[in-house]
Amino acid sequence: QVQLQESGPGLVKPSQTLSLTCSVSGVSMGRGGYYWTWVRQHPVKGLEWLGYAYYSGITYYHPSLKSRLTISVDTSKSQFSLKLTSVTAADTAVYYCARLAPLGVVTSRWYFDVWGRGTLVTVSS
Amino acid sequence: QSVLTQSPSVSGAPGQRVTISCTGNSSNIGADFDIHWYQQFPGTAPKLLIYGNNNRPSGVPDRFSGSKSGTSASLAITGLQAEDEADYYCQSFDNSLRGYVFGTGTKVTVL
Repeated sequence: QVQLQESGPGLVKPSQTLSLTCSVSGVSMGRGGYYWTWVRQHPVKGLEWLGYAYYSGITYYHPSLKSRLTISVDTSKSQFSLKLTSVTAADTAVYYCARLAPLGVVTSRWYFDVWGRGTLVTVSS
Repeated sequence: QSVLTQSPSVSGAPGQRVTISCTGNSSNIGADFDIHWYQQFPGTAPKLLIYGNNNRPSGVPDRFSGSKSGTSASLAITGLQAEDEADYYCQSFDNSLRGYVFGTGTKVTVL
């Protein structure tokens, strides 16, 4: 059974960097076949996809966050991580790590089949 | 801002059939991208309910079904049960935004 678990600070100061880690169990990330992704949920704005990374180093980010976001995979630790720089109050949300599962060759068809439990990150001084 | 619009709430009595709509445009649903649906209970993570428009993952009851037509999609729950009371989100891909997008969410209430 595949399981994902987020970890990281729950409080980040404005202008600083938000760093989260997702620990993956039940599947070997290095075997490929899935993309590893982050999704956040604002209390008011709903669910927002942030970006994904593949074990080989391929990444793709939401265009609006591309300049601030880095997602990386560490297969040796069975983890992937998120770093979001220059955070503001607008980045306050519950952050979920999730697995992006294939539905055909084209990644635009893929879907989020396994989710972590989520972690609340508040940006405040 | 979500580009997929859902009705904020839907309600029904146990045993009834309810449908949840998801309206997009020519950059997402209308561009023939697949629709996926998620169920979320308060304080928990979304759970995959339907993938590829009308496919159920193992363990999802067959009272849940999905469909898509034009720039809209629907999730139907037949034989509504008390445990179906949750929030439901549609998800697709958007060509203009160049990323995965979610619906605004629909709260299902069982009367």
